[in-house]
Amino acid sequence: NAGVTQTPKFRVLKTGQSMTLLCAQDMNHEYMYWYRQDPGMGLRLIHYSVGEGTTAKGEVPDGYNVSRLKKQNFLLGLESAAPSQTSVYFCASSDVYNEQFFGPGTRLTVL
Amino acid sequence: KNEVEQSPQNLTAQEGEFITINCSYSVGISALHWLQQHPGGGIVSLFMLSSGKKKHGRLIATINIQEKHSSLHITASHPRDSAVYICAGLSYNTDKLIFGTGTRLQVFP
Repeated sequence: NAGVTQTPKFRVLKTGQSMTLLCAQDMNHEYMYWYRQDPGMGLRLIHYSVGEGTTAKGEVPDGYNVSRLKKQNFLLGLESAAPSQTSVYFCASSDVYNEQFFGPGTRLTVL
Repeated sequence: KNEVEQSPQNLTAQEGEFITINCSYSVGISALHWLQQHPGGGIVSLFMLSSGKKKHGRLIATINIQEKHSSLHITASHPRDSAVYICAGLSYNTDKLIFGTGTRLQVFP
């Protein structure tokens, strides 16, 4: 099993560009999450999903959109990237109330 | 004040030393997670506990619900234990994880 995978691993964008980060899991987990990690701060939840076709806002949702059209995939979109969105993005998945399994991360730089 | 706080922020040790990392929380939680993040970024779940103590190899995690405190211990530390250790509480109110800012551990040979 691959676990949780993320693509791409690295990306550099210019301000105003758009992009989509893809997260895929092969563990049949119901719950999926997108976090961002910034220096000196704990991981912060951007959006999450409790099942196929559902999404909900987390702690820092502004500037991001998500979709969960298939149970195994959770997409994070940036419609108009800003330098404040420079961060490392982690996807995670879990069964209800169980440990979360994290992807390897995507390092995004917005110039 | 962060809802989940860790101490120390940075920790250095000599190989073989016993290491303790502390986590205190100020919110109601139903479980506490300990995670490990190696240089290069990957995050791995070490423990999830809601009471008592759990052990896996050289790692031991404890939690005291009344004192709202958890500790992660590493016995006979090794340079490969060098990583950032993160604690996270699963909030009663939101069912979401609240993360500490991590403890950076370096173990020297």
